[in-house]
Amino acid sequence: KAGVTQTPRYLIKTRGQQVTLSCSPISGHRSVSWYQQTPGQGLQFLFEYFSETQRNKGNFPGRFSGRQFSNSRSEMNVSTLELGDSALYLCASSLVFWASGSREYDTDTQYFGPGTRLTVL
Amino acid sequence: AQSVTQLDSQVPVFEEAPVELRCNYSSSVSVYLFWYVQYPNQGLQLLLKYLSGSTLVKGINGFEAEFNKSQTSFHLRKPSVHISDTAEYFCAVSNAGGTSYGKLTFGQGTILTVHP
Repeated sequence: KAGVTQTPRYLIKTRGQQVTLSCSPISGHRSVSWYQQTPGQGLQFLFEYFSETQRNKGNFPGRFSGRQFSNSRSEMNVSTLELGDSALYLCASSLVFWASGSREYDTDTQYFGPGTRLTVL
Repeated sequence: AQSVTQLDSQVPVFEEAPVELRCNYSSSVSVYLFWYVQYPNQGLQLLLKYLSGSTLVKGINGFEAEFNKSQTSFHLRKPSVHISDTAEYFCAVSNAGGTSYGKLTFGQGTILTVHP
């Protein structure tokens, strides 16, 4: 079974540019979360999408945005890049299913992709 | 708000020795607990998780962890480490019971270095 895939794996940009990263979740997974990993701040939650809707957002400036498509694939965008945006960006997917009574339940586990290493010069 | 503290930033051990990586958490609600491992230039791989039930959970590669609610801890252990266990290990929590909305809170990581 294919895991979470992220493209590109490596990216070099200059300050002021914008960048778009892509994530394809595990087949059947409908929730996609994004994390930023840096040596100084560690792993920080960016946002999470389910059914094309952002359900939760971390404490990042508005330059960071994302979206999810009907096939659950997700993209995140960073505009006006700063040196401090250099990081490993990780995408994770999890299975969300509908229980009886139309309440949704998140399952318990997020599965991570290999990440996109962004370097801002 | 939730927080996770990994008490050791680096743990050096010799091959075939036992190891314990310590993790404490703080949360006002019930949590799920996870340990992930990250090898150089790779993403995170799930080692094990605690959701409910038995407080001793076993994971891949011979790792196990024990959930201690009174001490709010979830320490990771392995009785005999191998060179290949050299990696960074992350403890993480999420809200239990369907309200996590895909958000994990991570500790700062522990670098385990296994020496021959």
